[in-house]
Amino acid sequence: KAGVTQTPRYLIKTRGQQVTLSCSPISGHRSVSWYQQTPGQGLQFLFEYFSETQRNKGNFPGRFSGRQFSNSRSEMNVSTLELGDSALYLCASSLRRAVRTGELFFGEGSRLTVL
Amino acid sequence: AQTVTQSQPEMSVQEAETVTLSCTYDTSENNYYLFWYKQPPSRQMILVIRQEAYKQQNATENRFSVNFQKAAKSFSLKISDSQLGDTAMYFCAFMKPGGSEKLVFGKGTKLTVNP
Repeated sequence: KAGVTQTPRYLIKTRGQQVTLSCSPISGHRSVSWYQQTPGQGLQFLFEYFSETQRNKGNFPGRFSGRQFSNSRSEMNVSTLELGDSALYLCASSLRRAVRTGELFFGEGSRLTVL
Repeated sequence: AQTVTQSQPEMSVQEAETVTLSCTYDTSENNYYLFWYKQPPSRQMILVIRQEAYKQQNATENRFSVNFQKAAKSFSLKISDSQLGDTAMYFCAFMKPGGSEKLVFGKGTKLTVNP
């Protein structure tokens, strides 16, 4: 069974540009969430999607947005990039059963560098 | 808001020895989930062990076990018979019950297992 796939794995952008990151969850998983990982702030929750609806959002500016498609694939977009947006962006998927196990399956991440 | 604190940024242990990683958390919830996630140098994060707060029995998964002290809000991870493959970042995480699967992570402990 294929794991969570994130593309691209690495990318370099300049300040002011925008970027779109993609995440394909494990087959059958309908919940997708995104995290930003930096050395200073650690892992911070960005947003969570289930059935194409945003269920929860972290404390990030409006420049960070996301969406989920009918096949559960998700994208996140960051507009007007700032140097501080340089980070590893992790996507995680889960089955989101009625009785939650809380186990999230993570992708390898997209490493964004903003110059 | 919930917070998770890992007071040991780095630790090292000799192969085959036992090591304990510390985690404390703050919450006003009575029921919740606690996790230890492992992030090896390849960066894909995987679940190590899970504890549900209403269960008094400490969770165990092979060489990994936890010491869950609910009153003290402490959740430490013990790794027995350490192996080189245990070298990784270890993150303690909290999830509260309800509709969201948002994880609140600690800053992590970098564990190195030495031969």
